[in-house]
Amino acid sequence: AQRVTQPEKLLSVFKGAPVELKCNYSYSGSPELFWYVQYSRQRLQLLLRHISRESIKGFTADLNKGETSFHLKKPFAQEEDSAMYYCALKIYGKLTFGQGTILTVHP
Amino acid sequence: GAVVSQHPSWVICKSGTSVKIECRSLDFQATTMFWYRQFPKQSLMLMATSNEGSKATYEQGVEKDKFLINHASLTLSTLTVTSAHPEDSSFYICSARDLAGVPDTQYFGPGTRLTVL
Repeated sequence: AQRVTQPEKLLSVFKGAPVELKCNYSYSGSPELFWYVQYSRQRLQLLLRHISRESIKGFTADLNKGETSFHLKKPFAQEEDSAMYYCALKIYGKLTFGQGTILTVHP
Repeated sequence: GAVVSQHPSWVICKSGTSVKIECRSLDFQATTMFWYRQFPKQSLMLMATSNEGSKATYEQGVEKDKFLINHASLTLSTLTVTSAHPEDSSFYICSARDLAGVPDTQYFGPGTRLTVL
């Protein structure tokens, strides 16, 4: 069965430091992967998807099929990046979420 | 942008009663909506897929008689928790799939906090 693993429940960095949120998946087919973000007291929203190969709010994520990973990276974290981040795998239109990583960026 | 609303945002009920939660897509049509459950500081677990005009499909382990889903129109899906018990207390989140959007995207509601006493 498909699975998404985010090994870090909590991640703390200082403002301006690089940040990487890890995501690994298990799926035998061709994956479609996403990062969702949930800011405090707000709803879940799409951050980026791997097929777009875009950078949103300075974040990028590269799909590595060999390592079955889709890590989220930002070279210089900002305080406003503090939020819960979920990695998700879409199969047949349905999303499977990882456990989430709470990112805290300290001033 | 596409907006999904949920009503109510929170509800407290007595054990044994039924609670209905509404999910609406405000500015787009959604033939498919999804219902998730989220426990504190845990991930979202997909409960069921709601399809307009047809029966919902439930994930393994989700009681269909317990969690009734009705998707009567292209903009409204409802989740009814029947004979609620304290273990049903949770955060319920819906999402709606905008097929017209390119690429097809799920938009999430703000969630409904259910507390069963």
